[in-house]
Amino acid sequence: DAGVIQSPRHEVTEMGQEVTLRCKPISGHDYLFWYRQTMMRGLELLIYFNNNVPIDDSGMPEDRFSAKMPNASFSTLKIQPSEPRDSAVYFCASTPRQGQETQYFGPGTRLLVL
Amino acid sequence: GENVEQHPSTLSVQEGDSAVIKCTYSDSASNYFPWYKQELGKGPQLIIDIRSNVGEKKDQRIAVTLNKTAKHFSLHITETQPEDSAVYFCAATDTGRRALTFGSGTRLQVQP
Repeated sequence: DAGVIQSPRHEVTEMGQEVTLRCKPISGHDYLFWYRQTMMRGLELLIYFNNNVPIDDSGMPEDRFSAKMPNASFSTLKIQPSEPRDSAVYFCASTPRQGQETQYFGPGTRLLVL
Repeated sequence: GENVEQHPSTLSVQEGDSAVIKCTYSDSASNYFPWYKQELGKGPQLIIDIRSNVGEKKDQRIAVTLNKTAKHFSLHITETQPEDSAVYFCAATDTGRRALTFGSGTRLQVQP
């Protein structure tokens, strides 16, 4: 298996622009997680899905952030409008069905908002 | 919610020495405690995990211990090698909830 795939790997944008991050989980995994990693706040869970349904979005910073999972093999995290404080590495992770908790992380998207 | 504290933030050891990283958690309902290794430019990767019904688990040079009463768990790496140099994260969760709460990370440097 190719593992969790994220795109783009790097994104540089200007403040106010819309940013869309993409994730393809491992085939057959039922859970998908979005994390943000910064020096100041470490690894933070933003939102996670089970069978394409959002379960917990309490970590989403504000209304500028939204996430969708239209099908089992694709998820997006959108920031609109982006701000410099959104600069971070965004990770997607997936896990198999209930009873198997190992989270498999993607390589991350490094976002820089100027 | 859960709060996980991790110490030390940086750790430097000589090749062949042992390294110990410690974490504490706050939620007594947490029952799953994984450890992740993150190399530069990569996503975290699971190296070992332990559940609350077990006090210790070992996998070659890596071991994890759990003290439920004190809400402590620790990662032990023996016979360290330069390729062990990375950032290590502990985490905790209640398996019913699924979402991991991570510690702040420990940067381990193994000096050749």
